[in-house]
Amino acid sequence: AQTVTQSQPEMSVQEAETVTLSCTYDTSESDYYLFWYKQPPSRQMILVIRQEAYKQQNATENRFSVNFQKAAKSFSLKISDSQLGDAAMYFCAYRSAGGSEKLVFGKGTKLTVNP
Amino acid sequence: GAGVSQSPRYKVAKRGQDVALRCDPISGHVSLFWYQQALGQGPEFLTYFQNEAQLDKSGLPSDRFFAERPEGSVSTLKIQRTQQEDSAVYLCASSLHREGTQYFGPGTRLLVL
Repeated sequence: AQTVTQSQPEMSVQEAETVTLSCTYDTSESDYYLFWYKQPPSRQMILVIRQEAYKQQNATENRFSVNFQKAAKSFSLKISDSQLGDAAMYFCAYRSAGGSEKLVFGKGTKLTVNP
Repeated sequence: GAGVSQSPRYKVAKRGQDVALRCDPISGHVSLFWYQQALGQGPEFLTYFQNEAQLDKSGLPSDRFFAERPEGSVSTLKIQRTQQEDSAVYLCASSLHREGTQYFGPGTRLLVL
């Protein structure tokens, strides 16, 4: 079974600075997808960024980018120019490319943005 | 509406009561998922449907949990004889197709007293 580990329960960053959230995963599969989801205090989960394992190029979405290291099974999220609205729980998630479509989530990292 | 909707948003139940939680996916989305999120934890998979077919129910914690999607759109998660450990937020998500992104609803917060 696949597992996802987020080793940082909480992180904080100053507004306009850069922060990196860590995620590692364990799988025996070669083809899969990785995701970062954001869950603000209102609790609606929102997709931040997605990475296909077969793609070597790291995904980017505006201020959000990932560092995908397939051999190391690492998938970190970098948030540049942090904004107050970035404060939320961030969840890393894994999904197989075949078989079940379910997402396997980590326990999350609570990000605080200080003004 | 444009997004996934869930009702009720909050539900308080007495231990032993049956509850039914509803999910309206995004129109046209083929896949529908249910997750359970305990306080301070990440969501955990319960079950999912492709149209009306329940393809994976491996995450349902006991036979007290039952989900259906009879016409391939709206889904209901039913919990019979609720227990205190069932207290959690129940999240529904839908995706357009197999490779698609899962879009989440706001969740139903269930409190069992």
